[in-house]
Amino acid sequence: DAKTTQPPSMDCAEGRAANLPCNHSTISGNEYVYWYRQIHSQGPQYIIHGLKNNETNEMASLIITEDRKSSTLILPHATLRDTAVYYCIVRVVGAGNMLTFGGGTRLMVKP
Amino acid sequence: DSGVTQTPKHLITATGQRVTLRCSPRSGDLSVYWYQQSLDQGLQFLIQYYNGEERAKGNILERFSAQQFPDLHSELNLSSLELGDSALYFCASSAPGTSGATTQYFGPGTRLTVL
Repeated sequence: DAKTTQPPSMDCAEGRAANLPCNHSTISGNEYVYWYRQIHSQGPQYIIHGLKNNETNEMASLIITEDRKSSTLILPHATLRDTAVYYCIVRVVGAGNMLTFGGGTRLMVKP
Repeated sequence: DSGVTQTPKHLITATGQRVTLRCSPRSGDLSVYWYQQSLDQGLQFLIQYYNGEERAKGNILERFSAQQFPDLHSELNLSSLELGDSALYFCASSAPGTSGATTQYFGPGTRLTVL
């Protein structure tokens, strides 16, 4: 699976949009971009995933650049409950499709 | 609530002992994955089962083993426990792939403390 690079930490003001970047310059054509988050020591929570088109769901939006070498997760109106570690993962889907977690970005939402 | 359940929530035991962690996947999911999260190693994949068969192996120690039963629940067995096995153990499940992208949903985890 392609390696990802994320900033170790970010701050965001409550109510503002949180934009979390991820670089995956070695991504292959058949690799998806997945985002998970982990609040304190809870189980990782699935947020969103995409292949090449931008995606939106009730939690967030995922913007993938045209060359697919980077992506941005957008939380449109961050709340204190969005404080968590956010993981960007790229993986080939198929047999043995385990997730390889990096260090993630620790997002701190401040009042 | 992801629909994946894990028991027990907490487990405290001594070095040299053996423990069993249990996971029930979401209804309809055939794949079960086990992950370990320790302070110094982060989240690491251990092993995957699909419909009762081992599908993939990660950094799982020989002292650890797992199985998936006909009702699709899974157990992770940890033996000859060492202090370094203290960690959070997560189970995840996913449905059979259809569109090519299968999403894993994680349980709340079991916190193992080895004294």
